[in-house]
Amino acid sequence: QQQVRQSPQSLTVWEGETAILNCSYENSAFDYFPWYQQFPGEGPALLISILSVSNKKEDGRFTIFFNKREKKLSLHIADSQPGDSATYFCAARVTGNTRKLIFGLGTTLQVQP
Amino acid sequence: DPKIIQKPKYLVAVTGSEKILICEQYLGHNAMYWYRQSAKKPLEFMFSYSYQKLMDNQTASSRFQPQSSKKNHLDLQITALKPDDSATYFCASRRTGDYEQYFGPGTRLTVL
Repeated sequence: QQQVRQSPQSLTVWEGETAILNCSYENSAFDYFPWYQQFPGEGPALLISILSVSNKKEDGRFTIFFNKREKKLSLHIADSQPGDSATYFCAARVTGNTRKLIFGLGTTLQVQP
Repeated sequence: DPKIIQKPKYLVAVTGSEKILICEQYLGHNAMYWYRQSAKKPLEFMFSYSYQKLMDNQTASSRFQPQSSKKNHLDLQITALKPDDSATYFCASRRTGDYEQYFGPGTRLTVL
């Protein structure tokens, strides 16, 4: 079963609005949560990340809110731009030597001008 | 200049054949990874290497064999190709001690 779940599967917002992308997870041992942005035909690009000891991380228009108790996090994209239209993946790190990441299925964001 | 190079960008193969996917990174990282992205499935971890040594293998099939000839190279050899192997394969790398993983542009493999 999915260890990292994302919702909604797709999201459309108007330019200037705040897009909210959700992520939840099962494993309490996850300690690092990166968000990746992927455009068609390209590889995932690291956008912003948070450690489980924090409850908020900001980087420009992008903010992660993290609730460890509920095992939920969300990515807020403020002042959405058409160039933000992409698929966004939430991932979680498995503690251990390999540092492998477990990904959700992604949310496809469309920003309408 | 791209920091992680994957070659080729697109690859078409026939069932039963063998192919090698190339990955080179110029970030000075010591940890490298392979992931696979198939339709309707999440990006899936396959292998991790650290200092050219295999650290984790999550691929059930021995048909997938990573090869690290240099510290900044991690190629992926796939033998006896099947149509189910059709996917985009991504190489990633990380500096030891850091959390961040950086992905290459991918190789899209189609097996007919």
